[in-house]
Amino acid sequence: EVQLVESGGGLVQPGRSLRLSCAASGFTFDDYAMHWVRQAPGKGLEWVSGISWNSGSIGYADSVKGRFTISRDNAKNSLYLQMNSLRAEDTALYYCAKDRERWLQLLDFDYWGQGTLVTVSS
Amino acid sequence: QSVLTQPPSASGTPGQRVTISCSGSSSNIGSNYVYWYQQLPGTAPKLLIYRNNQRPSGVPDRFSGSKSGTSASLAISGLRSEDEADYYCAAWDDSLSGEGVFGTGTKVTVL
Repeated sequence: EVQLVESGGGLVQPGRSLRLSCAASGFTFDDYAMHWVRQAPGKGLEWVSGISWNSGSIGYADSVKGRFTISRDNAKNSLYLQMNSLRAEDTALYYCAKDRERWLQLLDFDYWGQGTLVTVSS
Repeated sequence: QSVLTQPPSASGTPGQRVTISCSGSSSNIGSNYVYWYQQLPGTAPKLLIYRNNQRPSGVPDRFSGSKSGTSASLAISGLRSEDEADYYCAAWDDSLSGEGVFGTGTKVTVL
């Protein structure tokens, strides 16, 4: 059974940092691209970042470029999102999503985690 | 700020057909595949349509997708109460360094 379990969310002050993790199981992790998608309270979905199977291709939404860094450790079946210089508008439920392809240019998410909530507030 | 525009709401009675539009541009829908996701209240999104018009196994054939030029649409035929949810289109956007984009979302209500 495929499982994606996010962790690392919480309450953080504006300007501070947070690191999210996504533990994957039930599939061959290093065969697929992985993504982070967020959803602000009561709002729609927003693609945040994606990373190809071998970390050779990485992409970011303009809203987080230069502040967030995505990475993966295929040996540990884990995906990460380092979030720096956090702003109030980064407050959202952050989902980890598995792609059905190896590369980034498709948004073919067949499995999603339950999300981890990030709240940026003083 | 989403670059894929959807109507905020759509509705129908049980058994009716409902269509949701998704309008984009040449850099996203016009040159890449479109995906559709269903999000039931309080749950993570679920893949409904991939590569414009393909259904994953387990998705009823009441759901169908199409694409023409820089627009796409999702049709739900034989509407059922359990179809009441938020629906999002998505596509890769090739502008600048490239990024994924979701539509603004459509809330479907079954009357």
